[in-house]
Amino acid sequence: DGGITQSPKYLFRKEGQNVTLSCEQNLNHDAMYWYRQDPGQGLRLIYYSQIVNDFQKGDIAEGYSVSREKKESFPLTVTSAQKNPTAFYLCASSIDDREGEKLFFGSGTQLSVL
Amino acid sequence: AQKVTQAQTEISVVEKEDVTLDCVYETRDTTYYLFWYKQPPSGELVFLIRRNSFDEQNEISGRYSWNFQKSTSSFNFTITASQVVDSAVYFCALSEDMYNNNDMRFGAGTRLTVKP
Repeated sequence: DGGITQSPKYLFRKEGQNVTLSCEQNLNHDAMYWYRQDPGQGLRLIYYSQIVNDFQKGDIAEGYSVSREKKESFPLTVTSAQKNPTAFYLCASSIDDREGEKLFFGSGTQLSVL
Repeated sequence: AQKVTQAQTEISVVEKEDVTLDCVYETRDTTYYLFWYKQPPSGELVFLIRRNSFDEQNEISGRYSWNFQKSTSSFNFTITASQVVDSAVYFCALSEDMYNNNDMRFGAGTRLTVKP
């Protein structure tokens, strides 16, 4: 079955540590996105990628980094510069990034600080 | 700037009741898309519906129906004869950038609990 796989489901970060969240899709979608979800809030866009080897900052990119070396993969690194990383992180994709394309989501990674 | 408001933080109903989830949006554009997504306890958001700003027809899909009213900038979602499996967080979203999809704005979500 086609879909988006995020791993791990739960992740713990120590002070000063960088951690990487994995996102893989087999939908052959061009566009991929990372969102952050905090309790009682909507999703906020961290980074997005319209095509391989290209990505753009979203609304809350500070303290995060991404790469897009393969069409299927869009990992997110939460760096030590992100002072409040505890949140639920969702990866999404769409066929392309044209307006109005629906998003397909992974099942998320819950990141907590030790 | 575009904005989506879901004023109902949590709703609790008993199975078989009808329930309406409200969504009010703000935009200066004449061309935009509205969405509803469902987030069950498993975490992933599931697409329910997309409506563009030029199509004000209401839509029904089984027990789900959507009422789009440009005059009041609302895109409300009704579940008829609710079931326990409808328990989830529901998000309304707005996209108005005519060139790409990365401007999608989500409301804060409404947590629906359907009790047996």
